[in-house]
Amino acid sequence: EAGVAQSPRYKIIEKRQSVAFWCNPISGHATLYWYQQILGQGPKLLIQFQNNGVVDDSQLPKDRFSAERLKGVDSTLKIQPAKLEDSAVYLCASSSGRMARGYTFGSGTRLTVV
Amino acid sequence: KQEVTQIPAALSVPEGENLVLNCSFTDSAIYNLQWFRQDPGKGLTSLLLIQSSQREQTSGRLNASLDKSSGRSTLYIAASQPGDSATYLCAVRPQPLVVKLTFGQGTILTVHP
Repeated sequence: EAGVAQSPRYKIIEKRQSVAFWCNPISGHATLYWYQQILGQGPKLLIQFQNNGVVDDSQLPKDRFSAERLKGVDSTLKIQPAKLEDSAVYLCASSSGRMARGYTFGSGTRLTVV
Repeated sequence: KQEVTQIPAALSVPEGENLVLNCSFTDSAIYNLQWFRQDPGKGLTSLLLIQSSQREQTSGRLNASLDKSSGRSTLYIAASQPGDSATYLCAVRPQPLVVKLTFGQGTILTVHP
């Protein structure tokens, strides 16, 4: 089966600019996650979708970050305006459901804010 | 609040050595624990998943153990190879219906020929 697709692979922007990331999960996977991984740290969950509804966004900085999953398939994560501390790898993952035992991760988008 | 710690932060070993990576977590009420591998510029690849009712899982040269009561897990890699060089992350999941994983910061492993 095809994996979780993410684009772009790399992005460099200036602070206060906006940026968007895209994720296409494994076909049929109802649950989609966005994680932020700062260099030297483990990934931190930003938002979790079940189909097109938000299940958990408690760690999403809602003043600058937004995410949507229209039609319960693809998802986009947006940052506006970006700060230096947003430099990180943004990982998308999917699973077949909330009871699924494991995840499949995409390769991530590396964001550098200068 | 669950906290996950991995020791050591980095490890460099010669090829052929057996090695142990450690993971500890503060809240023993977990549903499962998962070990991942991350190569530079890549996403995470799941290596082993241990349910809370299990004590260990094995896959090839990898063996992961879980002691839930003491809040510890170890990943044992036998006969290490240069291709094992990567960052290894452990993550815990609190409940069946709560899929948010809490990750450790990872152990960077380098196996030199």
